[in-house]
Amino acid sequence: GQQVQQSPASLVLQEGENAELQCNFSSTATRLQWFYQHPGGRLVSLFYNPSGTKHTGRLTSTTVTNERRSSLHISSSQTTDSGTYFCAIDLTEGADRLTFGKGTQLIIQP
Amino acid sequence: GGIITQTPKFLIGQEGQKLTLKCQQNFNHDTMYWYRQDSGKGLRLIYYSITENDLQKGDLSEGYDASREKKSSFSLTVTSAQKNEMAVFLCASSPLTAYTEVFFGKGTRLTVV
Repeated sequence: GQQVQQSPASLVLQEGENAELQCNFSSTATRLQWFYQHPGGRLVSLFYNPSGTKHTGRLTSTTVTNERRSSLHISSSQTTDSGTYFCAIDLTEGADRLTFGKGTQLIIQP
Repeated sequence: GGIITQTPKFLIGQEGQKLTLKCQQNFNHDTMYWYRQDSGKGLRLIYYSITENDLQKGDLSEGYDASREKKSSFSLTVTSAQKNEMAVFLCASSPLTAYTEVFFGKGTRLTVV
């Protein structure tokens, strides 16, 4: 089965609403990163967060390692938040490679 | 801070052609990666390298060759481009040890006609 599962696959919200994106994975992760990708654009790292909670601006990432899940919360969403969000994990502890989920497409409507 | 530079940004090739994509990083990172992203999909690992002259196959290595000529550069060759193939190839780098962030370049968009 899929080793890195992201949900929902897509999410459509009105500007100002909060967004909650989920990532579940099949094994212990020592690397976990959340990325944002503009439509057809560059991959930007949002958080490197293998455990605990991190904040930056309107974004919060929370990873619960022993439950093998991570979430990305976007508060007061803006149209410029639209794009695809990826969760990526090293599925083998200490591995040199990241395995990506299929992403959540976020669309924020004005 | 550092930067990952991928060249070219856009690559158009003909069916059956051998095509080479290049990547340079000035982070002094040990590990470099090549990922492929098809339209609307996630990233899949093609090759990675943990040091100069090292090569490790990813999930999608068939049809590709790679070369780590020196620590700062990692090239990817499409051995025989397939018609109607369109994807973005992303290069990345990271320090060798775990618990570290991975950084990505801006990508090379490949179109095969």
